Amino acid sequence: GENVEQHPSTLSVQEGDSAVIKCTYSDSASNYFPWYKQELGKGPQLIIDIRSNVGEKKDQRIAVTLNKTAKHFSLHITETQPEDSAVYFCAASWNNDMRFGAGTRLTVKP
Amino acid sequence: DTEVTQTPKHLVMGMTNKKSLKCEQHMGHRAMYWYKQKAKKPPELMFVYSYEKLSINESVPSRFSPECPNSSLLNLHLHALQPEDSALYLCASSQETGGGQPQHFGDGTRLSIL
Repeated sequence: GENVEQHPSTLSVQEGDSAVIKCTYSDSASNYFPWYKQELGKGPQLIIDIRSNVGEKKDQRIAVTLNKTAKHFSLHITETQPEDSAVYFCAASWNNDMRFGAGTRLTVKP
Repeated sequence: DTEVTQTPKHLVMGMTNKKSLKCEQHMGHRAMYWYKQKAKKPPELMFVYSYEKLSINESVPSRFSPECPNSSLLNLHLHALQPEDSALYLCASSQETGGGQPQHFGDGTRLSIL
């Protein structure tokens, strides 16, 4: 089955700096790669996603890149703000099966 | 505010109790999911329903019994749970099953087994 690895497990940045979280996946059949943000006491919230036929997608301060050949994808957050502090999960999906990475706890210091 | 509503938000039960978790969505989604999330871990898939039929059971113990009465509702019936079943139980929905379908999560039910 699919195995998703996510790094780093924790990330601390200064407000205004950029943050990058990286994931790799094992199953070449995976064709959908969402990113979720989970705040304390809440469920995961979809923040951006990318499909296997696209290399890059951007939504305001958030961007995701996908390298199908290398089987890795990354989340980029620019101009970070304290409210970006949360746990971020990458995921890889094929058919009905979605597997999550272990998560990255991002802390943005004011 | 999430469009997937889960009740109750918190549940404490003994190992001999029977209780149910409920999930509701009104987005017209035809796929619904149950996940289990332990502290500081990612969500783990338990069950998938597609058009009100169970399509995936990830080898979940029979003390967890899912039910999909209609396309908007998903229940998880609990019986004779163990302390290790204490976790956050998340419900999600997507328009369809199949690849490339964004899943929308509720805020979960935090379950504690005494």
